Formats: sequence, structure tokens, C-alpha cells
Amino acid sequence: GENVEQHPSTLSVQEGDSAVIKCTYSDSASNYFPWYKQELGKRPQLIIDIRSNVGEKKDQRIAVTLNKTAKHFSLHITETQPEDSAVYFCAEANTGNQFYFGTGTSLTVIP
Amino acid sequence: DTAVSQTPKYLVTQMGNDKSIKCEQNLGHDTMYWYKQDSKKFLKIMFSYNNKELIINETVPNRFSPKSPDKAHLNLHINSLELGDSAVYFCASHDRAGNTIYFGEGSWLTVV
Repeated sequence: GENVEQHPSTLSVQEGDSAVIKCTYSDSASNYFPWYKQELGKRPQLIIDIRSNVGEKKDQRIAVTLNKTAKHFSLHITETQPEDSAVYFCAEANTGNQFYFGTGTSLTVIP
Repeated sequence: DTAVSQTPKYLVTQMGNDKSIKCEQNLGHDTMYWYKQDSKKFLKIMFSYNNKELIINETVPNRFSPKSPDKAHLNLHINSLELGDSAVYFCASHDRAGNTIYFGEGSWLTVV
């Protein structure tokens, strides 16, 4: 449950381009995969999540995909805007409600 | 009507002191957590409580002692503060039905 690898650690994109952040986990019992956005000086806030029985979920400009076989999931942000600049965390949780977070990705959207 | 509230928000204290951070949630959640976020932004779980009972106690020095008087409160007491304790401490609570963690606003602890 503790091993959640997240890449890249930093990411810069031009406004309007897409951004992709990837996470890999090792616990086969993990069944819930949320993504959090943390703006500077603020708390992490949930932006999208996916459960293990779903392969993809989309909410406007953000989407998450899950590959249970390969044990990885990704966050996709399309048409990036400057306000998307923040630190993004993936997380995984199992039925025991133990949440473990990735190491974070600092996203900068350049106007 | 803040869902997860923690106090104080900022705390500057000298090495060797003892300090407490308090957390309260009004969401009716059963599970509460303490996370530590260091200067590299890593979010590391410290403790997890479910209905006042300790569930997770990660590798945290004994100087850190959580206390949960009821399921809506989870306080963190730190003895003999060290420079390396400087970090942001986030309280969080868990909605078991929705599987979502809600974070408090964080407590910025600086040990000088």
C-alpha cells in the first residue's frame, strides 16, 4: 500500500496543451484511486477519482484512466489553463481505508 | 461551517517545547488522519483513527502522540520538538461510503 510512484515530479506545459501525470502502485487490493490538486498554501482537494471496476472517467477537461493489470493510472488534463498550475497528487486506497499518496507533480502552465 | 477544521494554522516555537494541534470534523465521518507534508511536498501518513481507535501508526517518533476523545476530534501532541518537525500537518477525515478524504487547511509548524 505504501509504494505509489508518481511521474514526473515537475511538468511545464504551454497554455492550451495537454498534461499527463502517471502513477504506479503495487498493492493488488487497492480499489480506489483519487487525484488531488494542491494550490500554493492551500489544502489538497479532490478533483477526480476512479474505482477499480472502471477503466476511464472524465469530467470536463480532466480524465483519469486505470489499468489494473499493469497497476498504473494516469491523470490527463486537456486545454490547460494557468489556473491549472498546482501540485497534483495521486493516491491509492484499499478496502481497509488506508490511503497512500504519490510524491506529487508540480505542474506549471505557461501563458 | 468548515468541514474539517484544525488549529492553530500557524505555530512558531522553540526546540524542546511541547505543542498540540487540534482537529475537528463535522461531517460525521468515522475515520480521521494526520498527515505530514515536508518541504519537498511529500504527503506522508502518520496516524489513522477509526471511531476513536488507532488503526495506523506509521513509523513516527514516540514524541508524537495522537488523541481522539470522540470520533469527531483527533488531536496531535508533540513533545520535545525538534528542527526536523517543521512541516505542514494536515488533519483529514474519511467518508467511508464515498471513499473520499477531506483535508483540513493545514497547520504550519516552524521549530526554531
